[in-house]
Amino acid sequence: NAGVMQNPRHLVRRRGQEARLRCSPMKGHSHVYWYRQLPEEGLKFMVYLQKENIIDESGMPKERFSAEFPKEGPSILRIQQVVRGDSAAYFCASSPFSSTNNQPQHFGDGTRLSIL
Amino acid sequence: DQQVKQNSPSLSVQEGRISILNCDYTNSMFDYFLWYKKYPAEGPTFLISISSIKDKNEDGRFTVFLNKSAKHLSLHIVPSQPGDSAVYFCAASEGTSGSRLTFGEGTQLTVNP
Repeated sequence: NAGVMQNPRHLVRRRGQEARLRCSPMKGHSHVYWYRQLPEEGLKFMVYLQKENIIDESGMPKERFSAEFPKEGPSILRIQQVVRGDSAAYFCASSPFSSTNNQPQHFGDGTRLSIL
Repeated sequence: DQQVKQNSPSLSVQEGRISILNCDYTNSMFDYFLWYKKYPAEGPTFLISISSIKDKNEDGRFTVFLNKSAKHLSLHIVPSQPGDSAVYFCAASEGTSGSRLTFGEGTQLTVNP
């Protein structure tokens, strides 16, 4: 399966702990995006990364949230000192580089984060 | 500020009939529009897209129409099948590849046998 891989699928944390969500893009894709979906809402953009670079983090909360996409390995979304309001589904998407044609983003199956 | 809106939370149609899902947007800088289908506990699956230089794009049973002057797009599914029952999200972006997507709230489509 060459799709976008996210793990873990489910993550339970207690308030104050750290959550790490991982995403491996589709083979050949160099763009990674993170989105969050709260219950009964649409997906909201958080951050867009290319290898070793954050391109657009305008959707990221100013505190406790960070993201990286290292040269080797998956992209990581890190949430420090989690609170109940962080409970949501977090989706990663990837797309290939293209300077001329629009390319759709392809999504993983998400990580469901639950904060106790 | 909800830049992409899907005003119908739900839609129910009979198998074999046409399903029409609607989407409105406010940002005139959007130039690429997509529809995704989502089943519970899965990620969104790309269905079809359209660039702002076109007003129609067709792929099998799925057709997307874009009316730029009205800032409106629609997804037509014909004939509808029970397996099409899912939440459908409209999304839009500015510029070429590498832009973030702005999503609508979604429409739950139910196709009854």
